[in-house]
Amino acid sequence: AQKVTQAQTEISVVEKEDVTLDCVYETRDTTYYLFWYKQPPSGELVFLIRRNSFDEQNEISGRYSWNFQKSTSSFNFTITASQVVDSAVYFCALSETDSWGKLQFGAGTQVVVTP
Amino acid sequence: ETGVTQSPTHLIKTRGQQVTLRCSSQSGHNTVSWYQQALGQGPQFIFQYYREEENGRGNFPPRFSGLQFPNYSSELNVNALELDDSALYLCASSLGGLAGETQYFGPGTRLLVL
Repeated sequence: AQKVTQAQTEISVVEKEDVTLDCVYETRDTTYYLFWYKQPPSGELVFLIRRNSFDEQNEISGRYSWNFQKSTSSFNFTITASQVVDSAVYFCALSETDSWGKLQFGAGTQVVVTP
Repeated sequence: ETGVTQSPTHLIKTRGQQVTLRCSSQSGHNTVSWYQQALGQGPQFIFQYYREEENGRGNFPPRFSGLQFPNYSSELNVNALELDDSALYLCASSLGGLAGETQYFGPGTRLLVL
């Protein structure tokens, strides 16, 4: 069963607009970790953010921010004032405590930012 | 850049052949994980090596095998290639084989099986 769901297949925005990517996860663990990765056309997965299940504080890092809500099992990610270089596929991933370091990825959301 | 390197970058094989993909981990990392990413999908976990031992395995058949060397570099071997093995193969290194460790990915190897 899919443990990480990214319902948005593709999002298209014009430069400087904000983009919010949705991620819903499923786990029975009380301790788990959530990640966001970016995959530009070159193919390399670039690490963006990591949160553990005990820290629901939402933060902002530059143009990136995230909203972690355990009550709804969601870990949404926002890019503020998008730029063309933000065009990529974004993946949400889950790491559970009983699965060593295995990352379970969602299907990804393609973000297209046009000038 | 993450410091994780993979070779080769591209590879074309025919069905039934065998292939070896290589990965060098980031300095200071002793764990390497391998993922298969089919076109338009998220990466799927193949297996993980921690200090030269297999630390966990995903739902892949035994013809997918691996190895980790004393310098923590790693190989992924695939025997009896099938058309569905065509994918981007990603390796990632991390500090240790624990849940929650951030994994840093290499550029990947694109394998095409004809």
